[in-house]
Amino acid sequence: GAGVSQSPRYKVAKRGQDVALRCDPISGHVSLFWYQQALGQGPEFLTYFQNEAQLDKSGLPSDRFFAERPEGSVSTLKIQRTQQEDSAVYLCASSLGWTSQGQETQYFGPGTRLLVL
Amino acid sequence: AQKITQTQPGMFVQEKEAVTLDCTYDTSDPSYGLFWYKQPSSGEMIFLIYQGSYDQQNATEGRYSLNFQKARKSANLVISASQLGDSAMYFCAMRERSYSGAGSYQLTFGKGTKLSVIP
Repeated sequence: GAGVSQSPRYKVAKRGQDVALRCDPISGHVSLFWYQQALGQGPEFLTYFQNEAQLDKSGLPSDRFFAERPEGSVSTLKIQRTQQEDSAVYLCASSLGWTSQGQETQYFGPGTRLLVL
Repeated sequence: AQKITQTQPGMFVQEKEAVTLDCTYDTSDPSYGLFWYKQPSSGEMIFLIYQGSYDQQNATEGRYSLNFQKARKSANLVISASQLGDSAMYFCAMRERSYSGAGSYQLTFGKGTKLSVIP
């Protein structure tokens, strides 16, 4: 079946522009996560949705970052007034949700590479 | 303190040989999960293997196995019979219960190890 898809794959923005990054999770996956991966680093958690509810946004670096998942499927990560330090790869992951085995494997999309000039 | 430590920034292995990638972790949560992901140059994170904190046996998936030593808090990935296509970044990650958000189970990643397979 189809995996997690993200668009656009690449985005170049001028400092101060707003950007919107889209994530299409695997069909039927309840949980959706956004991560930010700086060059040469591991991904860092940004926010988590269970269906349409945003249950954890503790990783969002500032109030310029906003995420939504209004119908419990597609999610959008919006960054307002982009800064150069926002340049990174933004990864989306989805999972079935908590399983009896407690595994909840997260499956990742290809990411969106954002470059802010 | 780092929650996930990967001490090998880069590793080389001869094709068809086995290689071990190190990972140590730090948690006080008795219920946790450990994951390994592969990230080729294309950027996608590919799930390889999972080990739960209560699992009695080491996890195996094809050529991948996880050497889980709970008392030492280590979860090393072993790749047997390395192939050229194994060249990539490898990330160890941990899932704990999160108290910052109800039911949140985000992953905490290490800095990764770059594996290069030599023909």
